[in-house]
Amino acid sequence: QQPVQSPQAVILREGEDAVINCSSSKALYSVHWYRQKHGEAPVFLMILLKGGEQKGHDKISASFNEKKQQSSLYLTASQLSYSGTYFCGTGPNAGSSNTGKLIFGQGTTLQVKP
Amino acid sequence: DARVTQTPRHKVTEMGQEVTMRCQPILGHNTVFWYRQTMMQGLELLAYFRNRAPLDDSGMPKDRFSAEMPDATLATLKIQPSEPRDSAVYFCASGFFPEGETNEKLFFGSGTQLSVL
Repeated sequence: QQPVQSPQAVILREGEDAVINCSSSKALYSVHWYRQKHGEAPVFLMILLKGGEQKGHDKISASFNEKKQQSSLYLTASQLSYSGTYFCGTGPNAGSSNTGKLIFGQGTTLQVKP
Repeated sequence: DARVTQTPRHKVTEMGQEVTMRCQPILGHNTVFWYRQTMMQGLELLAYFRNRAPLDDSGMPKDRFSAEMPDATLATLKIQPSEPRDSAVYFCASGFFPEGETNEKLFFGSGTQLSVL
């Protein structure tokens, strides 16, 4: 089942914050976040597996709510380099035969302006 | 610096022609994925392999698409015959999944930009 991302697009000024949401009507086993810069391949950001988990590096972090139906990606004090399309993906349950199967949302395009 | 290599980077072909896209996964990775990216559909999973065996190709139009891994260093995606609606960027990604693990980081190749006229 494809997760739903919101918003579809965000325009920011440098230094502003943004939140991108990824949700599903069913509980998710895991949430994966990737960023794709224009004309490039998607690049891994992080995976969250546990309800209530928070992860982050530098000024990009993510959370996974207790019910495991929503994840949010937080970009604080945005930089020009943060521009791109952010995808969340949902992974399979542990023990599933669908090893590694990752279904992505539609993506959120983030544009950071000077 | 290990990376996933895809060829060709760009392909323009005419409707009805056969198209073959190739992917060299990162050495040691045991799982390979094919995704298709379009503006309308986003990143769609077409097929994926573990230890060269196909695990799921339900995302692929069966009548014209085929995916194989002739050996651990090569994955191929073939379209025959190609149609204009196949125009998209096709990404290959690989990852190492230890036994029993289902969620691991993927490394994407640079993609093949396919245009079918």
